[in-house]
Amino acid sequence: DAGVIQSPRHEVTEMGQEVTLRCKPISGHDYLFWYRQTMMRGLELLIYFNNNVPIDDSGMPEDRFSAKMPNASFSTLKIQPSEPRDSAVYFCASSFGGGHSDTQYFGPGTRLTVL
Amino acid sequence: DQQVKQNSPSLSVQEGRISILNCDYTNSMFDYFLWYKKYPAEGPTFLISISSIKDKNEDGRFTVFLNKSAKHLSLHIVPSQPGDSAVYFCAASARQTSGSRLTFGEGTQLTVNP
Repeated sequence: DAGVIQSPRHEVTEMGQEVTLRCKPISGHDYLFWYRQTMMRGLELLIYFNNNVPIDDSGMPEDRFSAKMPNASFSTLKIQPSEPRDSAVYFCASSFGGGHSDTQYFGPGTRLTVL
Repeated sequence: DQQVKQNSPSLSVQEGRISILNCDYTNSMFDYFLWYKKYPAEGPTFLISISSIKDKNEDGRFTVFLNKSAKHLSLHIVPSQPGDSAVYFCAASARQTSGSRLTFGEGTQLTVNP
């Protein structure tokens, strides 16, 4: 299996622009998670889906952030408009099952820089 | 409100010696704890976990200890190898209140010197 695939790997944009991050989970996994990593706060969960349905979006920082999962093999995280403080590494992860012992497999991340 | 804290941003040890990474938590509802390892330009990968009904779990060179009364866990790596150099994240979950949500710490950069 190719693992979790994320694109792009790097994104540099200017403040105010729309940014779309993409994720393809591992085939057969029914949970998908979006995380953001910063130096100050480490890894923060933004939102997660179960069977394409958003379950918990309490980590989404504000209305500028939105996430969708139109089907089992694709998800997007959109930031509109982007701001410099959104600069971070964004990870997508997937798992089969959402229990404690169900390992989350992470993608390589998208490094976002907002100028 | 950082519910999982790793107070040491970095740790440096000699090859062959023990590495001890520490993690503290504040939420008494957490009942499952995990460690993830992250190499540069890669996503975190699961390393080892422990349930709150245990106080120790061992997997090869890696052992996780849990002290519930102190709300503290630690990861021991013995013996440390240069390939262990990575960022280590502590994570916790609360099955009854948080479902599938994992709360991560800030991470500790471990450097193992040859």
